[in-house]
Amino acid sequence: AQTVTQSQPEMSVQEAETVTLSCTYDTSESDYYLFWYKQPPSRQMILVIRQEAYKQQNATENRFSVNFQKAAKSFSLKISDSQLGDAAMYFCAYRNTNAGKSTFGDGTTLTVKP
Amino acid sequence: GAGVSQSPRYKVAKRGQDVALRCDPISGHVSLFWYQQALGQGPEFLTYFQNEAQLDKSGLPSDRFFAERPEGSVSTLKIQRTQQEDSAVYLCASSDVSFSRATEAFFGQGTRLTVV
Repeated sequence: AQTVTQSQPEMSVQEAETVTLSCTYDTSESDYYLFWYKQPPSRQMILVIRQEAYKQQNATENRFSVNFQKAAKSFSLKISDSQLGDAAMYFCAYRNTNAGKSTFGDGTTLTVKP
Repeated sequence: GAGVSQSPRYKVAKRGQDVALRCDPISGHVSLFWYQQALGQGPEFLTYFQNEAQLDKSGLPSDRFFAERPEGSVSTLKIQRTQQEDSAVYLCASSDVSFSRATEAFFGQGTRLTVV
């Protein structure tokens, strides 16, 4: 079974600074998808960024980028120029290419200090 | 609709009571998922539908949990004889295609169930 581990329960960053959230996963599959979701206090999960395992290039979405290390099974999220609105719980998720369900980590709570 | 809608937002049930949680996915979305999220944890998969077919129910914790999607759109998660350990947020998500791409799942705001 796949597992996803987020080793940082809480992180904080100063506004306008950069922060990196860690995620590791365990799988025997060679092809899969990885996601970072943001969950603000309103509870609605929002997709931040996605990565297909067969792509070597790291995904980037505006201020958000990932460092995908397939051999190390690591998928960290970098947030540049942090904004107050980035404060939320962030979840790393894994999905097989032939399965509908996703496996989530336990999340990292990000605080942004003004 | 504009997004995934779940109702009710909050539900308090007495232990032993049956509850029904509703999910209205985004119109036309083929896939629908239910997840259970305990306080301070990540969502745990419960079950998955493709149209009206329940393709995976491996995450349902007991036979007290039952989900249906009879017409391939609205889904209901039913919990019979609720127990305190059922207290959690129940999230519904939908997506428009199946597995072939890194398809985004769109989540609802969840139903917070408290069993007293």
